[in-house]
Amino acid sequence: HERLVESGGGLVKPGGSLRLSCATSGFPFGDYYMSWLRQAPGKGLEWLSHIGTFDTPIYYADSVKGRFTISRDDASNSVYLQMNSLRAEDTALYYCARTVMWQYGSGWYADSWGQGTQVTVSS
Amino acid sequence: DIQMTQSPSSLSASVGDRVTLTCRASDSISNYINWYQHRPGTAPKLLIYAASNLQSGVPSRFSGSGSGTDFTLTISSLQPEDFATYYCQQSYDTPITFGQGTRLEIK
Repeated sequence: HERLVESGGGLVKPGGSLRLSCATSGFPFGDYYMSWLRQAPGKGLEWLSHIGTFDTPIYYADSVKGRFTISRDDASNSVYLQMNSLRAEDTALYYCARTVMWQYGSGWYADSWGQGTQVTVSS
Repeated sequence: DIQMTQSPSSLSASVGDRVTLTCRASDSISNYINWYQHRPGTAPKLLIYAASNLQSGVPSRFSGSGSGTDFTLTISSLQPEDFATYYCQQSYDTPITFGQGTRLEIK
């Protein structure tokens, strides 16, 4: 059974940085896309970024493009999200998710999720 | 960007009821829609992918239908564990977008 565990969240000042990690087990990590999503307080879900197998393709939502960087390490079955220039509106619960693309170039869905790690951006 | 609009925003129902949740896309997305269930304090759970495909392990009381711009998620007989927020998500094009959610509450 697949398991995904996020870590690295916390309280950071505006303009600061954090690196989120997601450790996975129970499935062939290298065969899957991986994604980061978030839910801000009182808001819905937002798909932030995904990374394909062998590090390509990479997608970013406009809200994080140029500030966040996704990466993966197939040797350790982990995916990361480097978050720079953090803003108050980045405050959210951040989830990593195993992702399937059922149609080449589209059709992404997140079929297994972690429990999330909280990021709070405040002075 | 493709906007996803869910209705109703909230719904009160009783155990055993049949309920239908709706999601409308601002442009045609063929069958590129997925549905998730999110209970407070837990990880979101994939229910349906590609409009009508039941994810492994999801009870058969859940079903999805639709194509183009109008989609539905139906729960045939509500169980206590089904009271949650439900989100649709389009995967036809980037940016990948979710609906605002439908909160299903106990009557």
